[in-house]
Amino acid sequence: EVQLVESGGGLVQPGGSLRLSCAASEFTFSNFAMSWVRQAPGKGLEWVSTVTDNGGSTYYADSLKGRFTISRDNSKNTVYLQMNSLRDEDTAVYYCAKDHGRGGGCLGDWGQGTVVTVSS
Amino acid sequence: EIVMTQSPATLSVSPGERATLSCRASQNVNRNLAWYQQKPGQVPRLLIYGASARATGFPARFSGSGSGTEFTLTISSLQSEDFVVYYCHQYENWPRTFGQGTKVEI
Repeated sequence: EVQLVESGGGLVQPGGSLRLSCAASEFTFSNFAMSWVRQAPGKGLEWVSTVTDNGGSTYYADSLKGRFTISRDNSKNTVYLQMNSLRDEDTAVYYCAKDHGRGGGCLGDWGQGTVVTVSS
Repeated sequence: EIVMTQSPATLSVSPGERATLSCRASQNVNRNLAWYQQKPGQVPRLLIYGASARATGFPARFSGSGSGTEFTLTISSLQSEDFVVYYCHQYENWPRTFGQGTKVEI
């Protein structure tokens, strides 16, 4: 069974930074694109970013305006999300998700999420 | 950016009835459309992909249809565990986008 375990969330002041990690197991990590999706309290799902299987391409939500950076280390089966210049509106549960199939595009497996709270 | 619009925001139906949820894309997404189910306090689960393929673990009462800009999720006979929130998601273009969700309530 696919395992995705996020970590790195917490309380941070506005303007601060956090680095989220997602450790993957029980599948061939290097074969799949990986994504981050977030959900603000009581709100819907918002796609944040995707990195392709080899890390060669990355994609971001327009609203992030260059503040977030996704990366992966296939030798460690881990995907990261570096979040800078955090704002109150970045408060959310951040989910790591795996593509449903190779090049599939939809999100077939999700982690349990890590909570990010931006507040002074 | 492709805007995904779900309707209605809340759908009130009775157990055993049929539920029809709609999702409209602001541009053509072909059949690159997924539906997710999210129960309270739980992680979203992939329900439908490729507009009509049912994901593992979901019963046949769930079906998806549509292509281009108009999509439908149908639950043929609602069971108690189906009264939750459903999201559509386009993966045709970057940036990926979700609809705002439809809550199915009793």
